[in-house]
Amino acid sequence: EVQLSESGGGLVQPGGSLRLSCAASGFSFSNFAMSWVRQTPGKGLEWVSGVSGSGGNTYYTDSVKGRFTISRDNSKNTLYLQMNSLRAEDTAVYYCVKGGCSSPSCSFDYWGQGNPVTVSS
Amino acid sequence: EIVLTQSPGTLSLSPGERATLYCRASQSVSSSYLAWYHLKPGQAPRLLIYGASNRATGIPDRFSGSGSGTDFTLTISRLEPEDFAVYYCQQYGSSPFTFGQGTRLEIK
Repeated sequence: EVQLSESGGGLVQPGGSLRLSCAASGFSFSNFAMSWVRQTPGKGLEWVSGVSGSGGNTYYTDSVKGRFTISRDNSKNTLYLQMNSLRAEDTAVYYCVKGGCSSPSCSFDYWGQGNPVTVSS
Repeated sequence: EIVLTQSPGTLSLSPGERATLYCRASQSVSSSYLAWYHLKPGQAPRLLIYGASNRATGIPDRFSGSGSGTDFTLTISRLEPEDFAVYYCQQYGSSPFTFGQGTRLEIK
């Protein structure tokens, strides 16, 4: 059974940093691209970042480029999102999602339960 | 960036009725890399359709997807109580992999 377990969210002040982690199990982790998707009440679902199965290719939405870094450790079956220079508009529930293939150009077939991040002073 | 526009914003129907949801892209979606998800309160989103017309594992056949290029449709042939949720389309053909703004399917 595919399981995606997120951790690392919480409350942070504007300008601060957080690192989200996602522990994966139930599939051959290195064979599949992974992404982070966030959900806000006002904007619905927003794809944030993706990484290929090997980790060699990374992709970001424009609003987080230069502030967020996606990475993965295939030896630990874990996905990460390092978030720096956080802004109020980054407040959202962040989902770890599994792609259906090794390239990020795949639909998202499994989702974690979501990890709330609140950026507020 | 490909912008996806979903319509209608809200759809009010009764169980047993047919639902048709639309997703229009600002430019052609390559290789029909278009997916549909639904999101229920307190639950993670679930993949329904990928590749514009392929049902994901475990999705009942009352759900069907169609379309190509810039116009896509999700049809639910006969609504069950558990189908009332928010539906999102997403293109994954070119980064950034954008979502539509959602259609809320509510019980009439």
